[in-house]
Parts: sequence; structure tokens; C-alpha cells
Amino acid sequence: DAGVIQSPRHEVTEMGQEVTLRCKPISGHDYLFWYRQTMMRGLELLIYFNNNVPIDDSGMPEDRFSAKMPNASFSTLKIQPSEPRDSAVYFCASSQVAGAPPGKTQYFGPGTRLLVL
Amino acid sequence: GEDVEQSLFLSVREGDSSVINCTYTDSSSTYLYWYKQEPGAGLQLLTYIFSNMDMKQDQRLTVLLNKKDKHLSLRIADTQTGDSAIYFCAESPPTDTGNQFYFGTGTSLTVIP
Repeated sequence: DAGVIQSPRHEVTEMGQEVTLRCKPISGHDYLFWYRQTMMRGLELLIYFNNNVPIDDSGMPEDRFSAKMPNASFSTLKIQPSEPRDSAVYFCASSQVAGAPPGKTQYFGPGTRLLVL
Repeated sequence: GEDVEQSLFLSVREGDSSVINCTYTDSSSTYLYWYKQEPGAGLQLLTYIFSNMDMKQDQRLTVLLNKKDKHLSLRIADTQTGDSAIYFCAESPPTDTGNQFYFGTGTSLTVIP
């Protein structure tokens, strides 16, 4: 398997612009997670899905952030409008099941490095 | 959520052993994970242990768990320059639904040649 795929790998945009990050989970994985990593706050869980349904979005910082999973092989994280404080590395991860490893182990994508000027 | 704490930095000489420590607060049975993040990359699973185990060994990696103190450690034997990375401890309780992982802040390991 190719692993979790994220695009773009790097994004530079100006404040106020819309940003869309994309993720393709590992085939057959029922869970998908979006994380944000910054020096100040470390790794933060933003939202996760089970079978395309959002389960917990309590980590989404504010209404400017939205995430969708229209099907089992694709998810987006959108920021509109973007602000400089959104600059971070955004990771997508997927896992097969809940319960116990190895099935519940989360596998991470390479991340999208976002810079908002 | 659960609190998972790690020291931020560790520096060792090549060939020495590295010990990275982690504490967690979950009082129930739980799974504990170690992930490695190399520069510019995502997190890569190294190993995991269930909280009813004391130790797990995998080649150069040894995981020790003190359940009473809720203290987890990762020992890397014969540390190499390629081991320089950020190491994350994570805790995830076993559940039939929900699948949250609680990550520590990460420990940045620097290996000095």
C-alpha cells in the first residue's frame, strides 16, 4: 500500500485566502484523523472520522476550519479565510479499527506544510 | 483528555544508549505507543505495549513500563546518528468506539557523532 497520501506537501498563501488540504487514507481503514503540529502547541487533534462520519471535532480551532469526508478514500480540511497563525504542519492519519493494536494503530501521512503570509 | 508528558530534549553520543521517558495519567488499561518523527516527515510507529506488560524488546529498542508510577520509557541501544529525531509517546485506551490517541509533546533526540 502507498500509505496515507497528502497533498499538497507545501502551501504558501496570503492571509485571507482559502486553503484546502487533501488526504487519501490507507485503503480499508475506517478511521481518519486530522492533526496540526506547531512548535508552540505540539501535536493537536483537530477532528476524526469513522466510516466517513465526523466523530469528534472538538479540536477544530474555530469556524474558519471545516473538514469533510465525502467517501472512504478522500478527506479535505479547509481553512477560510486563512490567517498567519494557521501556519503549521497539518497531518492526516488513518487506522483500521478501534479497540486494540495492531488494527487501531494510526498511520501518518507526510504532512502539508502551510505558511500563511 | 489524558495528560501525556515528556521531556523536550535529549542529547547522547553515538554508540551510547538513549533513554526517553514519558508519564501518563490514564488509570485504566491502555495501550502505549512510541512514534518517531524524522525531520520533514510524518510520524512513524516504532512499537506499542499494553499496560499489563512490563517490557517489550524489538532489536535495539526496549520499552519498559512501570504501571504503578504510570511511567514509560524507550531505550535505544547503540544509538546512531540516524536515530536523531523527535520521539512521541502516545496513550490510547481500548474502546469499541472512538479511537483517540493522546500524544506527548515529543522528545527531540540529538545524537552527537
